[in-house]
Amino acid sequence: NAGVTQTPKFRILKIGQSMTLQCTQDMNHNYMYWYRQDPGMGLKLIYYSVGAGITDKGEVPNGYNVSRSTTEDFPLRLELAAPSQTSVYFCASTLGSQETQYFGPGTRLLVL
Amino acid sequence: RKEVEQDPGPFNVPEGATVAFNCTYSNSASQSFFWYRQDCRKEPKLLMSVYSSGNEDGRFTAQLNRASQYISLLIRDSKLSDSATYLCVGAFSGGYNKLIFGAGTRLAVHP
Repeated sequence: NAGVTQTPKFRILKIGQSMTLQCTQDMNHNYMYWYRQDPGMGLKLIYYSVGAGITDKGEVPNGYNVSRSTTEDFPLRLELAAPSQTSVYFCASTLGSQETQYFGPGTRLLVL
Repeated sequence: RKEVEQDPGPFNVPEGATVAFNCTYSNSASQSFFWYRQDCRKEPKLLMSVYSSGNEDGRFTAQLNRASQYISLLIRDSKLSDSATYLCVGAFSGGYNKLIFGAGTRLAVHP
Protein backbone atom coordinates (compact mmCIF):
# COMPACT_ATOMS: atom_id res chain seq x y z
CA ASN A 1 0.00 0.00 0.00
CA ALA A 2 1.98 3.00 -1.29
CA GLY A 3 -0.55 5.64 -0.20
CA VAL A 4 -0.34 8.84 -2.26
CA THR A 5 2.50 9.05 -4.76
CA GLN A 6 3.60 12.03 -6.83
CA THR A 7 5.92 12.42 -9.78
CA PRO A 8 8.23 14.09 -10.53
CA LYS A 9 9.90 15.02 -7.24
CA PHE A 10 11.54 18.08 -8.74
CA ARG A 11 11.30 19.92 -12.05
CA ILE A 12 12.70 23.07 -13.62
CA LEU A 13 10.57 24.68 -16.34
CA LYS A 14 11.15 27.61 -18.62
CA ILE A 15 8.51 30.31 -18.84
CA GLY A 16 5.78 29.25 -21.26
CA GLN A 17 6.49 25.54 -21.08
CA SER A 18 3.83 23.07 -20.02
CA MET A 19 3.92 20.01 -17.82
CA THR A 20 1.74 17.57 -15.95
CA LEU A 21 2.23 16.74 -12.29
CA GLN A 22 1.13 13.20 -11.60
CA CYS A 23 -0.71 12.01 -8.49
CA THR A 24 -1.86 8.47 -7.76
CA GLN A 25 -3.43 6.91 -4.68
CA ASP A 26 -4.04 3.24 -4.03
CA MET A 27 -6.40 3.59 -1.08
CA ASN A 28 -9.60 3.75 -3.15
CA HIS A 29 -10.24 7.26 -1.86
CA ASN A 30 -13.03 9.25 -3.46
CA TYR A 31 -11.75 12.74 -2.69
CA MET A 32 -8.52 14.09 -4.10
CA TYR A 33 -6.93 17.54 -3.83
CA TRP A 34 -4.11 19.61 -5.23
CA TYR A 35 -2.42 22.24 -3.05
CA ARG A 36 0.48 24.59 -3.54
CA GLN A 37 2.72 25.80 -0.74
CA ASP A 38 4.82 28.91 -1.17
CA PRO A 39 7.73 29.62 1.23
CA GLY A 40 6.50 30.66 4.66
CA MET A 41 2.87 30.25 3.64
CA GLY A 42 0.10 27.80 4.34
CA LEU A 43 -1.17 25.39 1.73
CA LYS A 44 -3.61 26.80 -0.80
CA LEU A 45 -6.16 24.60 -2.56
CA ILE A 46 -5.87 24.65 -6.35
CA TYR A 47 -8.42 22.04 -7.47
CA TYR A 48 -10.27 19.14 -5.92
CA SER A 49 -12.28 16.14 -7.02
CA VAL A 50 -15.04 14.28 -5.21
CA GLY A 51 -14.93 11.28 -7.53
CA ALA A 52 -14.02 10.09 -11.00
CA GLY A 53 -15.29 12.52 -13.62
CA ILE A 54 -15.99 15.31 -11.11
CA THR A 55 -13.60 18.20 -10.49
CA ASP A 56 -13.97 21.73 -9.17
CA LYS A 57 -11.91 24.83 -8.52
CA GLY A 58 -10.33 25.67 -5.19
CA GLU A 59 -8.93 28.99 -4.01
CA VAL A 60 -6.15 29.46 -6.60
CA PRO A 61 -7.09 27.63 -9.84
CA ASN A 62 -5.82 30.14 -12.42
CA GLY A 63 -3.12 28.73 -14.66
CA TYR A 64 -3.96 25.11 -13.85
CA ASN A 65 -6.22 22.34 -15.12
CA VAL A 66 -7.10 18.92 -13.78
CA SER A 67 -8.86 15.76 -14.85
CA ARG A 68 -10.09 12.70 -12.97
CA SER A 69 -10.72 9.84 -15.36
CA THR A 70 -10.09 7.15 -12.73
CA THR A 71 -10.44 6.92 -8.95
CA GLU A 72 -6.68 6.46 -8.58
CA ASP A 73 -5.26 9.30 -10.68
CA PHE A 74 -5.60 13.07 -10.42
CA PRO A 75 -3.08 14.83 -12.69
CA LEU A 76 -2.49 18.59 -12.52
CA ARG A 77 -1.67 20.38 -15.77
CA LEU A 78 0.24 23.64 -16.15
CA GLU A 79 -0.24 24.94 -19.68
CA LEU A 80 1.92 28.08 -19.78
CA ALA A 81 4.33 28.07 -16.87
CA ALA A 82 4.96 31.40 -15.16
CA PRO A 83 7.49 32.32 -12.43
CA SER A 84 4.55 32.82 -10.03
CA GLN A 85 3.93 29.07 -10.27
CA THR A 86 7.25 28.32 -8.61
CA SER A 87 6.12 26.41 -5.54
CA VAL A 88 5.84 23.04 -3.87
CA TYR A 89 2.78 21.10 -5.01
CA PHE A 90 1.10 18.56 -2.77
CA CYS A 91 -1.56 16.08 -3.74
CA ALA A 92 -3.84 14.67 -1.05
CA SER A 93 -6.68 12.19 -0.80
CA THR A 94 -9.36 11.19 1.64
CA LEU A 95 -12.02 8.51 1.75
CA GLY A 96 -14.91 10.74 2.73
CA SER A 97 -15.56 14.42 3.13
CA GLN A 98 -14.86 14.42 6.87
CA GLU A 99 -11.95 12.02 6.92
CA THR A 100 -8.26 12.77 7.43
CA GLN A 101 -6.41 13.94 4.34
CA TYR A 102 -3.31 11.96 3.37
CA PHE A 103 -0.63 13.85 1.49
CA GLY A 104 1.84 12.80 -1.15
CA PRO A 105 5.55 13.71 -0.81
CA GLY A 106 5.25 16.79 -3.01
CA THR A 107 6.66 18.07 -6.29
CA ARG A 108 9.06 21.02 -6.22
CA LEU A 109 8.63 23.18 -9.29
CA LEU A 110 10.93 26.01 -10.33
CA VAL A 111 9.91 28.21 -13.25
CA LEU A 112 12.68 30.35 -14.72
CA ARG B 1 -7.48 39.09 7.88
CA LYS B 2 -6.32 35.53 7.27
CA GLU B 3 -8.84 32.81 8.03
CA VAL B 4 -6.36 30.91 10.17
CA GLU B 5 -3.52 32.81 11.82
CA GLN B 6 -0.49 31.51 13.67
CA ASP B 7 2.61 32.99 15.22
CA PRO B 8 5.33 31.97 12.73
CA GLY B 9 8.00 31.62 15.41
CA PRO B 10 10.56 30.21 15.44
CA PHE B 11 10.27 28.91 18.94
CA ASN B 12 13.71 27.84 20.15
CA VAL B 13 13.44 25.68 23.27
CA PRO B 14 15.74 23.29 25.14
CA GLU B 15 14.98 19.61 25.43
CA GLY B 16 12.51 18.92 28.19
CA ALA B 17 10.79 22.29 27.92
CA THR B 18 7.06 22.82 27.63
CA VAL B 19 5.99 24.93 24.68
CA ALA B 20 2.58 26.21 23.60
CA PHE B 21 1.39 27.31 20.19
CA ASN B 22 -1.68 29.38 19.55
CA CYS B 23 -3.88 29.78 16.55
CA THR B 24 -6.90 31.98 15.86
CA TYR B 25 -9.53 31.60 13.20
CA SER B 26 -11.96 34.11 11.74
CA ASN B 27 -14.67 31.91 10.23
CA SER B 28 -17.11 30.98 12.97
CA ALA B 29 -18.72 28.42 10.61
CA SER B 30 -15.67 26.21 10.87
CA GLN B 31 -16.58 22.71 11.86
CA SER B 32 -13.43 21.05 13.10
CA PHE B 33 -9.76 21.70 13.62
CA PHE B 34 -6.51 19.83 13.40
CA TRP B 35 -2.85 20.18 14.07
CA TYR B 36 -0.58 18.91 11.32
CA ARG B 37 3.16 18.49 11.59
CA GLN B 38 5.42 19.28 8.64
CA ASP B 39 9.09 18.38 8.63
CA CYS B 40 11.47 20.35 6.44
CA ARG B 41 10.84 19.65 2.74
CA LYS B 42 8.26 16.98 3.57
CA GLU B 43 4.51 16.63 3.33
CA PRO B 44 2.16 17.61 6.19
CA LYS B 45 1.07 14.76 8.43
CA LEU B 46 -1.84 14.76 10.84
CA LEU B 47 -0.68 15.17 14.44
CA MET B 48 -4.05 15.29 16.14
CA SER B 49 -7.60 16.50 15.88
CA VAL B 50 -8.81 19.22 18.23
CA TYR B 51 -11.99 18.89 20.25
CA SER B 52 -13.82 21.46 22.36
CA SER B 53 -13.37 19.34 25.45
CA GLY B 54 -9.63 19.25 24.89
CA ASN B 55 -7.75 16.13 23.98
CA GLU B 56 -4.42 14.64 24.84
CA ASP B 57 -2.12 12.27 23.00
CA GLY B 58 0.95 11.46 25.03
CA ARG B 59 2.97 14.64 25.43
CA PHE B 60 0.63 16.63 23.20
CA THR B 61 -2.52 18.43 24.34
CA ALA B 62 -4.86 20.30 22.02
CA GLN B 63 -7.63 22.66 23.02
CA LEU B 64 -10.37 24.47 21.13
CA ASN B 65 -12.20 27.54 22.45
CA ARG B 66 -15.07 28.30 20.09
CA ALA B 67 -16.18 31.41 21.98
CA SER B 68 -12.78 33.04 21.49
CA GLN B 69 -12.12 31.30 18.13
CA TYR B 70 -8.82 30.08 19.44
CA ILE B 71 -6.92 26.79 19.20
CA SER B 72 -3.86 25.74 21.13
CA LEU B 73 -1.27 23.00 21.11
CA LEU B 74 0.84 22.21 24.16
CA ILE B 75 3.93 20.04 23.91
CA ARG B 76 5.40 18.79 27.16
CA ASP B 77 8.90 17.40 27.70
CA SER B 78 10.08 18.52 24.25
CA LYS B 79 12.29 16.13 22.30
CA LEU B 80 14.80 16.93 19.57
CA SER B 81 12.53 14.98 17.23
CA ASP B 82 9.71 17.47 17.86
CA SER B 83 11.57 20.05 15.76
CA ALA B 84 9.26 20.78 12.86
CA THR B 85 6.64 23.24 11.64
CA TYR B 86 3.20 22.87 13.19
CA LEU B 87 0.25 23.77 11.00
CA CYS B 88 -3.08 24.81 12.46
CA VAL B 89 -5.84 23.66 10.13
CA GLY B 90 -9.56 24.40 10.07
CA ALA B 91 -12.11 22.29 8.25
CA PHE B 92 -15.13 24.09 6.88
CA SER B 93 -18.42 22.83 5.54
CA GLY B 94 -18.84 22.67 1.79
CA GLY B 95 -19.15 19.02 1.02
CA TYR B 96 -15.58 18.42 0.04
CA ASN B 97 -13.70 18.66 3.31
CA LYS B 98 -12.29 22.12 2.66
CA LEU B 99 -9.19 22.64 4.76
CA ILE B 100 -7.77 26.08 5.53
CA PHE B 101 -4.14 25.98 6.57
CA GLY B 102 -2.33 28.42 8.77
CA ALA B 103 1.18 29.37 7.66
CA GLY B 104 2.68 27.28 10.45
CA THR B 105 4.72 27.78 13.59
CA ARG B 106 8.30 26.61 13.50
CA LEU B 107 9.69 24.79 16.53
CA ALA B 108 13.40 24.13 17.07
CA VAL B 109 14.32 21.98 20.07
CA HIS B 110 17.99 22.11 21.02
CA PRO B 111 20.07 19.94 23.36
